[in-house]
Amino acid sequence: DVVLTQSPATLSVTPGERISLSCRASESVDTYLHWYQQKPNESPRLLIKYASQSISGIPSRFSGSGSGTDFTLSINGVEVEDLSIYYCQQGNSLPLTFGSGTKLEIK
Amino acid sequence: EVQLVESGGGLVKPGSSLKLSCVASGFTFSSYGMHWIRQAPKKGLEWIALIYYDSSNKYYADSVKGRFTISRDNSKNTLYLEMNSLRSEDTAMYYCAKSRGGYPHWYFDFWGPGTMVTVSS
Repeated sequence: DVVLTQSPATLSVTPGERISLSCRASESVDTYLHWYQQKPNESPRLLIKYASQSISGIPSRFSGSGSGTDFTLSINGVEVEDLSIYYCQQGNSLPLTFGSGTKLEIK
Repeated sequence: EVQLVESGGGLVKPGSSLKLSCVASGFTFSSYGMHWIRQAPKKGLEWIALIYYDSSNKYYADSVKGRFTISRDNSKNTLYLEMNSLRSEDTAMYYCAKSRGGYPHWYFDFWGPGTMVTVSS
């Protein structure tokens, strides 16, 4: 199975900061890497598909990059509403797997 | 507007069975694959099953293979998950999710709010 390692586990940030979250795969997943946001007590929602492709309705401050084994989710100007856990997911091979998540805390 | 609404969760004893449902609306259900994904309390996400749009193929995580069965009724816009031989480690919020991408490059573009399954004596 492809193991996805997300770092950091928790990130405490000030509104307005630009931040980067990391997701590393145990083997190459090409660009079959997707990002989800899970707000407290809500179901996840798709943020970024295929490593860097934007999703309709998602604020433009969210962007993704990477290929192979190293991926980054960036938030350009964090807002209070971004308080969430962010998960990466690989779709290169079965079973589909998720990273353990990065929890974003707002100072 | 895409909507997915799960139901059927509850408190059950180890070894028992339960059947979850997910009613879909706002899109052509019969044209899309569907997934079940679960999340144990305070834990991460675990994909557990996929069914093709026409039920021609089904895939399962090893953790549920042989115990869980995914199915669908396109005439009712409904996805199902039949769970047998339930264990305490099956305790989780169960989400249905709409599938995008092709084999095996799937991802999930819409999720339901989930239904909670608790397995405890």
